[in-house]
Parts: sequence; C-alpha cells; structure tokens
Amino acid sequence: KNQVEQSPQSLIILEGKNCTLQCNYTVSPFSNLRWYKQDTGRGPVSLTIMTFSENTKSNGRYTATLDADTKQSSLHITASQLSDSASYICVVDKGGSYIPTFGRGTSLIVHP
Amino acid sequence: GAVVSQHPSRVICKSGTSVKIECRSLDFQATTMFWYRQFPKQSLMLMATSNEGSKATYEQGVEKDKFLINHASLTLSTLTVTSAHPEDSSFYICSARDSRQTNEKLFFGSGTQLSVL
Repeated sequence: KNQVEQSPQSLIILEGKNCTLQCNYTVSPFSNLRWYKQDTGRGPVSLTIMTFSENTKSNGRYTATLDADTKQSSLHITASQLSDSASYICVVDKGGSYIPTFGRGTSLIVHP
Repeated sequence: GAVVSQHPSRVICKSGTSVKIECRSLDFQATTMFWYRQFPKQSLMLMATSNEGSKATYEQGVEKDKFLINHASLTLSTLTVTSAHPEDSSFYICSARDSRQTNEKLFFGSGTQLSVL
C-alpha cells in the first residue's frame, strides 16, 4: 500500500493561473518531505525539502507547506508558466531509514 | 550543487542482449544509491537500494539475477539488465544520497530510456 497519496492525479490550468497540489502521507516516523518536478523523459529535479519542524518553504514561484500533525503537504505554484507542465512528485523519508517513499505524482498541464 | 550523471540516456538493443547503465555522483560520495524504473505516465518504482561495498537490497518482485547491481566505488553504481526482453523496455532512473548535507539531499540522474526490440 502506497503510504504517500497525491491529488489530483492530473490538472490542467491556463497560463498565469495559480494552482495547489496535495500530498497526504502515513509514513511514520517522519523525517523529511520533498517535492520534485519531473519533465517527461527526464529525471526528477528537487524543488523543496522540509523537515518535521518546517511549515513552509519557497523556491521561486513554488511554495510548499507542511502540517506534520495532519500529515499533509501542499505545493502551490504561482503565476504558472508553460514550462511548469510536468509531473510533480511528493517523496517522504521515513525517520531512521534511507529508503524514500514516492507518491504517484500529479501531472500538471499548463495551457497558453 | 551536487550532480548525478547517468549514462546512456537512451539505448536500443536486441532481445537477449545485456545492457549496462551507469550512475555517477560527480562531486560527492554516495554510499547509497537507488535504482528505479518508470513506465509511461506512472510513478517511479523503486527496484533496489545499492550500498557501496555490499550487496544490493532488492524490492519484492524484482529479480536480482535479472537486474544486476554493482556499487564498487563511492561514486559509481551500475545496473545491468541481463538477457533483456521487450517487457524490460522502460525508463530507468538512479538517485544518490548526499550525506554531507543536513537534510541528506537526494539527487536524481537524468534517466535511461531502454527499448528492447
């Protein structure tokens, strides 16, 4: 059973609009939560990484939030661009383990 | 920042041949590397965890004799797909953990698209 659930599975928005992607996890104990962007046919690229004590972290137009109590994270993309079209993957590290657990990803398509 | 180099980026081979994929950490030592495969429009699936100087740990359902992993140095891990068949066609990605950093950043290679004819 996948312990990291992402929603929505896919999302289509117009260029310039904002959007928010969700990640819920049951991995315990929790260590880190990461968001990655993966372009088609390429390896994932790190956007943000948050530890248990961090609530929010920004990277340009990307802002990730984390609520460790409810085990939820979100990735907010502001003023979307065509180049934001990609798969966004949530990855949770289990405390004390070196094996990350991957969500299935959200496929984002930005239309002009 | 840290970079993980994966080679080749694309390979086409005949059924029955073996294919080797290399994963290198360019500016850090990686005691642990991971190998994944990804089918179109699906998430990354962890195949195995590669530990320098020891045997790899394979996920359930992954044939260790089919997917040979060697992590002979702190900067290089290789995945060899032996006697490849068309069903092995997939996108293979490696990642390496940079333990120097507080949050142990995980860096990914650019992936290898394997097509078996």
